[in-house]
Amino acid sequence: QITLKESGPTRVKPTETLTLTCTFSGFSFTSSPVGVGWIRQPPGKALEWLALVYWDDDKRYSSSLKSRLTITRDTSKNQVVLTMTNMDPVDTATYYCAHYYGDYVAFDIWGQGTMVTVSS
Amino acid sequence: DIVMTQSPLSLPVTPGEPASISCRSSQSLLHSNGYTYLDWYLQKPGQPPQLLIYLAFNRAPGVPDRFSGSGSGTDFTLEISRVEAEDVGLYYCKQALQRWTFGQGTRVEIK
Repeated sequence: QITLKESGPTRVKPTETLTLTCTFSGFSFTSSPVGVGWIRQPPGKALEWLALVYWDDDKRYSSSLKSRLTITRDTSKNQVVLTMTNMDPVDTATYYCAHYYGDYVAFDIWGQGTMVTVSS
Repeated sequence: DIVMTQSPLSLPVTPGEPASISCRSSQSLLHSNGYTYLDWYLQKPGQPPQLLIYLAFNRAPGVPDRFSGSGSGTDFTLEISRVEAEDVGLYYCKQALQRWTFGQGTRVEIK
């Protein structure tokens, strides 16, 4: 059974860097064709894809946020980490990590999400 | 970037009746491999999204057969043959041809 869980601060201040960790189980990150992605959802708004790392460590970023995002993986810890620099109140959102299955070209299993508020 | 546009944005439904949601992409989602890179998700209240349909018309494991996806190129439809109370929530289409982009979401609620 695949599970993912997000962790990180619930509140950050403007201009600070956000670091979120996705801890997963139930699959091997070294087996193709899998990946882990990050998606966010501001309160009352739509989903927005942020970043994804593949089984071979290839990485993809949202074109609008690319300069602020870094995604890394630690296969020994079964974790994927997302960092977002220069946080702003508009970045207030629930942040989800999700298992990406290449055969479906879709995010088939999602974590419960973690709410992050950006406020001074 | 590929833009995804859903309609309607709000859909009141009657249990037992059919319902459909449209999704249009700003460019064709047909990959050179012959597959169409479009999926559908349902986000029930207070829950993360769940995958319903992948590659335009394939139901994800465990998804009831009252849900079906259709369409090609730039125009797609999610249909629910007979709506149940548990189907309320936000429905999103998403393209995966160039990075990943979600539609604005369609809120389905019981009349």
